Order: sequence, then structure tokens, then C-alpha cells
Amino acid sequence: AQRVTQPEKLLSVFKGAPVELKCNYSYSGSPELFWYVQYSRQRLQLLLRHISRESIKGFTADLNKGETSFHLKKPFAQEEDSAMYYCALKEIVAYNQGGKLIFGQGTELSVKP
Amino acid sequence: DAGVTQSPTHLIKTRGQQVTLRCSPISGHKSVSWYQQVLGQGPQFIFQYYEKEERGRGNFPDRFSARQFPNYSSELNVNALLLGDSALYLCASSLGGHSMGPYGYTFGSGTRLTVV
Repeated sequence: AQRVTQPEKLLSVFKGAPVELKCNYSYSGSPELFWYVQYSRQRLQLLLRHISRESIKGFTADLNKGETSFHLKKPFAQEEDSAMYYCALKEIVAYNQGGKLIFGQGTELSVKP
Repeated sequence: DAGVTQSPTHLIKTRGQQVTLRCSPISGHKSVSWYQQVLGQGPQFIFQYYEKEERGRGNFPDRFSARQFPNYSSELNVNALLLGDSALYLCASSLGGHSMGPYGYTFGSGTRLTVV
């Protein structure tokens, strides 16, 4: 079954420390992966997607097909990075042009001053 | 652009009642998806509609139904509400069915449904 696993519910770091939010997936095909972020009282928004290979707000994520992982990293955490982070996998239903996102349970990142 | 708009923002219903949630996608987007987010969990897929046709259905009972209108807006209906239906219901719009465009799925702020 297609699945996304985020093993940490809460990650707490100090400002300036490196951050790594873990994401592992299982998918029988070529995966398309995303990181979404939800700041307090705001809507879920796209942070980055692996196919664009961008760095957004200093965050990067590399798809490792061998380890089936898509960990989110930032070298120096900022207090404004405190939020809920969700890893998501896109599943395509090719025969009818359908698609959906399979989300992990989320990791709450808390950056302390 | 107003983004994805959902109404109402909050709703309180009694067990056994029926509820209708509404979503307007971003202008130019033809696909709308619905997700349920229970407290402490990630969003779970309920339905996707593209060009007014159902393109996907998640593992939800038949009490859940949806439709998409010619203007691409959508409604999610839930009948015979249970306490366990209490959740944040999210709507996401995208350009096409599995074609997400450069910005992926864009989510609305959600409707917070409380069943008492």
C-alpha cells in the first residue's frame, strides 16, 4: 500500500541549529513528493516539491529512492520556522486522470530562541 | 485572486443531521479535491472531481458524497453525522486531474465541523 511515514510528532531545536524532518514513503512506481507547511492559524501551503529541486526559505529536500526517503533539511533554524510540516506523496489514477495526495501524520517543529 | 474559498468556516451539527460544505477553486482551476483532517493527523483524501466527474474516492462510507458544478465549484455532503465526523474539512484546487500545475494543489482554510 502507498504510505507516507513521519516518525517524529514533535521536533524541538534551538535557533541557529540544523533541522532535519524525516519522511519515508512506500510507493509502487515513480514517486512525486512534496512538503507542505502549516503555520499557526494559516492554511496548508506548499513548501517544496522534489521535481522542482528548489530551495524555499532555506529548506531543501532530496529524494533518495534507495532509502525511500524525502527528508526536509535546513542548516540554521529560525523562530519563524515553527510550524506543522507534512510530507505528501502524489498518487496518480492514470486511467481517469485522477490524482490525490497521501499525507504523513505531520511533524510539529518548534524553534526556541 | 481570492485563492480557494470555503464556506462556512465553522459549523456545529447534531448527530444524525446532514451537512453541506462548499468550495470555490482558484480561477482557471478545473479540479477540486476534498480532504478530512482529524486533530493530530494528516489530511485524508475523500474525493476528487475534475471537469464535473468523480476521478477518485477515498476510503469513506457512502454517507459522504460530493459534486462539482459547471463553474467548477464543489459541494461535499455528509449524511447521518457521527461524532467521529468532527474534523477540519479541506478543499484543494488544481489545474487538472493529476496535472497539478506549477503550484501543486492549493488548499483552502477549511471548514471546522463539530458534531455534538
